[in-house]
Amino acid sequence: GAGVSQSPRYKVAKRGQDVALRCDPISGHVSLFWYQQALGQGPEFLTYFQNEAQLDKSGLPSDRFFAERPEGSVSTLKIQRTQQEDSAVYLCASSLGGGSGTGELFFGEGSRLTVL
Amino acid sequence: RKEVEQDPGPFNVPEGATVAFNCTYSNSASQSFFWYRQDCRKEPKLLMSVYSSGNEDGRFTAQLNRASQYISLLIRDSKLSDSATYLCVVNGYGGSQGNLIFGKGTKLSVKP
Repeated sequence: GAGVSQSPRYKVAKRGQDVALRCDPISGHVSLFWYQQALGQGPEFLTYFQNEAQLDKSGLPSDRFFAERPEGSVSTLKIQRTQQEDSAVYLCASSLGGGSGTGELFFGEGSRLTVL
Repeated sequence: RKEVEQDPGPFNVPEGATVAFNCTYSNSASQSFFWYRQDCRKEPKLLMSVYSSGNEDGRFTAQLNRASQYISLLIRDSKLSDSATYLCVVNGYGGSQGNLIFGKGTKLSVKP
């Protein structure tokens, strides 16, 4: 499809498990963002890539969170030793230019993580 | 203090009503401002940008007051289809080269 694709759409993990969430941005989009959205909250910034370079990871809540975009297209967000407070929807977004540019981020439908 | 703060809501209004949402931001260096809309269990989508002079898009009007660090969104003649959460968004410390910071959102429910 032409939009941002995320997988899996739903993930249930036992506390302590590692999870990997994948994002396929819109083809040709330079910038890629990860956000975390807890129930009833707005999206919270996690990290941002411009091509393969991770320019900002200030929003990652702990060193259990790791993101990569090795070839400047697909990105993976990995969460190690998951905890219950990691339960949220993880949203990936891409934009055509560098950064948030014109402000139009195109979001995927998200990966809903539930940690038991 | 959160970087972007919005009316807590929810707003429950009848069809045809006019409703206004307010938002304040803490970073005086912010240059770009937006409203996003998020339907229930869906992803956020850009509704409109907010310009210094104010701007209108059909029934929607956005205003910016830089001195007060205040942004507003006015919806006239509300439709059932306007029911959604409205997110106030500003650019982060990286300017246009950085990320966007989202408010918590204000939920609007338009009733028949």
